[in-house]
Amino acid sequence: KNEVEQSPQNLTAQEGEFITINCSYSVGISALHWLQQHPGGGIVSLFMLSSGKKKHGRLIATINIQEKHSSLHITASHPRDSAVYICAVQKDSNYQLIWGAGTKLIIKP
Amino acid sequence: DTAVSQTPKYLVTQMGNDKSIKCEQNLGHDTMYWYKQDSKKFLKIMFSYNNKELIINETVPNRFSPKSPDKAHLNLHINSLELGDSAVYFCASSQIYRGNTGELFFGEGSRLTVL
Repeated sequence: KNEVEQSPQNLTAQEGEFITINCSYSVGISALHWLQQHPGGGIVSLFMLSSGKKKHGRLIATINIQEKHSSLHITASHPRDSAVYICAVQKDSNYQLIWGAGTKLIIKP
Repeated sequence: DTAVSQTPKYLVTQMGNDKSIKCEQNLGHDTMYWYKQDSKKFLKIMFSYNNKELIINETVPNRFSPKSPDKAHLNLHINSLELGDSAVYFCASSQIYRGNTGELFFGEGSRLTVL
């Protein structure tokens, strides 16, 4: 079993829908990252969080340290949100990041 | 201004050749990374340097040798290229703070194809 599991692996939705992508992990962490990889290949950091909730525009990330779970939400989804969303966790006292396999999101107009 | 730039973006070469990919960051970060993304799209850490010192060295063949002439540059040299080396290689940087890696900034990737 991977130390970082994302669900779903693939998600197709209609424009405007509320999107939730989940990330569960089994190790102690000091931080969790959400990143976005566009079809063109570029990777962009969306959030880095260690507790609570963060919001950038239509994107919201939450983390529950006790439950070892994080969610990435997209409100009013748009076709340009179509990308692979990747969760990565930093283990306690270690510079290593453990990467999830990614969630491929397609938003249809 | 590109924050993390890597060159070349595309590289097609024959088996057995030696090639290098260069990476530069202008963010003033103290830590740089090389990742390999294979055909299944998994990102795997290869190396990380903090202030020119190697801090992460995953199990990669010793045909791969990173070089960090200063903290703004981390180059990747690959000897005796093999078919399995074909992948997209991403450079990234971050500022380590209180033991945390910090937000990661990625280059655009270098697609290596070994024929």
